Amino acid sequence: RKEVEQDPGPFNVPEGATVAFNCTYSNSASQSFFWYRQDCRKEPKLLMSVYSSGNEDGRFTAQLNRASQYISLLIRDSKLSDSATYLCAVLSGTYKYIFGTGTRLKVLA
Amino acid sequence: GAGVSQSPSNKVTEKGKDVELRCDPISGHTALYWYRQSLGQGLEFLIYFQGNSAPDKSGLPSDRFSAERTGGSVSTLTIQRTQQEDSAVYLCASSLIPSGGDNEQFFGPGTRLTVL
Repeated sequence: RKEVEQDPGPFNVPEGATVAFNCTYSNSASQSFFWYRQDCRKEPKLLMSVYSSGNEDGRFTAQLNRASQYISLLIRDSKLSDSATYLCAVLSGTYKYIFGTGTRLKVLA
Repeated sequence: GAGVSQSPSNKVTEKGKDVELRCDPISGHTALYWYRQSLGQGLEFLIYFQGNSAPDKSGLPSDRFSAERTGGSVSTLTIQRTQQEDSAVYLCASSLIPSGGDNEQFFGPGTRLTVL
């Protein structure tokens, strides 16, 4: 089993839809979690950190479920510009980030 | 200010040749990471530097891969006797301190390596 797993998608959704992705992790001792956005042929950029109590940034909501060992990303009112690959990352230990393979999102007009 | 830069942006080489990839992290960032991303794959951890030291080289795929960092700044990743399976995008990232929380990793644009 991979240490961090994501559904590769693609998730094809119409503009304005709400879409959610999950990311499961195997190391129960993991303490820090992140969502990155990666556009085609570009480098990943941090979208948001995931806090234990859940956190929101505009249309984006991140949540952590420690009992089931997954994090989620919810995008409300999807825009065409949200089309990208969303990578989750889990900090394993004090410095090593383990990335998922990414979930591809296509927002359709 | 300037972000993480990498050079070259693209490199095409023949099987068996050596290549050197360069990363200039953000000034003052003590932690530096190298990752490899193959087509449609996630980021594969290669090596981590704290200052000039590399406490974790566990991700390097083989002894053909090596990396160094000098002056707590620039890092080079060297691949000797390249193979076709080395073809990938090599990404460098730096962060102010290595640990997580709100400490963000900033990625460079990557070097796209193609081994013919």
